[in-house]
Amino acid sequence: AQSVSQHNHHVILSEAASLELGCNYSYGGTVNLFWYVQYPGQHLQLLLKYFSGDPLVKGIKGFEAEFIKSKFSFNLRKPSVQWSDTAEYFCAVGGSQGNLIFGKGTKLSVKP
Amino acid sequence: DTGVSQDPRHKITKRGQNVTFRCDPISEHNRLYWYRQTLGQGPEFLTYFQNEAQLEKSRLLSDRFSAERPKGSFSTLEIQRTEQGDSAMYLCASSFIHGSNTEAFFGQGTRLTVV
Repeated sequence: AQSVSQHNHHVILSEAASLELGCNYSYGGTVNLFWYVQYPGQHLQLLLKYFSGDPLVKGIKGFEAEFIKSKFSFNLRKPSVQWSDTAEYFCAVGGSQGNLIFGKGTKLSVKP
Repeated sequence: DTGVSQDPRHKITKRGQNVTFRCDPISEHNRLYWYRQTLGQGPEFLTYFQNEAQLEKSRLLSDRFSAERPKGSFSTLEIQRTEQGDSAMYLCASSFIHGSNTEAFFGQGTRLTVV
């Protein structure tokens, strides 16, 4: 069965700290991978996506993610977080019908 | 705003009542998805439409749930005889399918509370 696992439920960092959020997936077909972000009171927004090609993907707001096929992972990284990065982050894999299978999400709190 | 819009944003209903939600996708998008999100969980897929055809339903979509997209534009999701377990955020997303690449755009959701 297709599934996505996010390792951290809640991460608390100080501004300027580096961020890495873990994501592992289980999917048998061609993998399309996504990270979405949900800022407080707002809708889900796409941060970045991987369909094929360079496994290091750069997204908006300085985020990047690396697809490691051998580890079934797609971890999200940012070298230096800001208070405005406080949000909930969801990893997702594209299903066979174009639907998304989401992880449970990781809440990121950045202390000023 | 040319994004995905959902109405209403919040709905409080008594158990046993019927509710209907509306989603207006991005106009040129041919696919429309409904998801449900409960506290502490990521969104869970319910159903999707390709134009006006409903192509897949999740096992989460009980027979009390029905969705339509009559003209291939807006969609409605109706829940009959609501139960407290139906309390959740209902999210709509749309995408334009091009090959195998998909990127879904989400609305702000309708938060349903069943009391």
